[in-house]
Amino acid sequence: DQQVKQNSPSLSVQEGRISILNCDYTNSMFDYFLWYKKYPAEGPTFLISISSIKDKNEDGRFTVFLNKSAKHLSLHIVPSQPGDSAVYFCAASDLSSGNTPLVFGKGTRLSVIA
Amino acid sequence: ETGVTQSPTHLIKTRGQQVTLRCSSQSGHNTVSWYQQALGQGPQFIFQYYREEENGRGNFPPRFSGLQFPNYSSELNVNALELDDSALYLCASSLANQQAFFGQGTRLTVV
Repeated sequence: DQQVKQNSPSLSVQEGRISILNCDYTNSMFDYFLWYKKYPAEGPTFLISISSIKDKNEDGRFTVFLNKSAKHLSLHIVPSQPGDSAVYFCAASDLSSGNTPLVFGKGTRLSVIA
Repeated sequence: ETGVTQSPTHLIKTRGQQVTLRCSSQSGHNTVSWYQQALGQGPQFIFQYYREEENGRGNFPPRFSGLQFPNYSSELNVNALELDDSALYLCASSLANQQAFFGQGTRLTVV
């Protein structure tokens, strides 16, 4: 029973174009969402987060959009760079109940081609 | 640099053995969580410690146990190792209800 789903195992994008990574969740109690980036032989690195009271959060080239009614979020990277090539994990938690452990998706491997 | 360090980085154990993995949390962080990441999967929550007390547990059997020390560093112990325990074990530290910072992980192989 996967509560956080990343249905695209991989994505290939040309350098300079937009990368869009998608994530769906089933638990309506989730109120905090995060994206992590992971390179081989390293731990996940925090990228950007969004609270359920917002529908958009921007940080430089990275923007996360949240559609609560659809239980869907997406990460946009513009413009994509070769150094963005990594596995991206979507994660969610239910902070309002004090339940802070993260529930992760399976990840999407992004390849940015020069 | 997240400041979360894990040791060892790689480990090979035999089925039935016991293993202890260690994590030093980022300075000032009082919450430590452990995750298991199997090949091709996302990290799965094992348990969390807050100020030396277990503060939540995922769907893992009791042979997975842990400790948190007064300096907030932590250990993950796994008894009676099984082949399916082969995975990357990730430690994350945070302040309560704040974003988690991960260590580089310990790659455990059970043969």
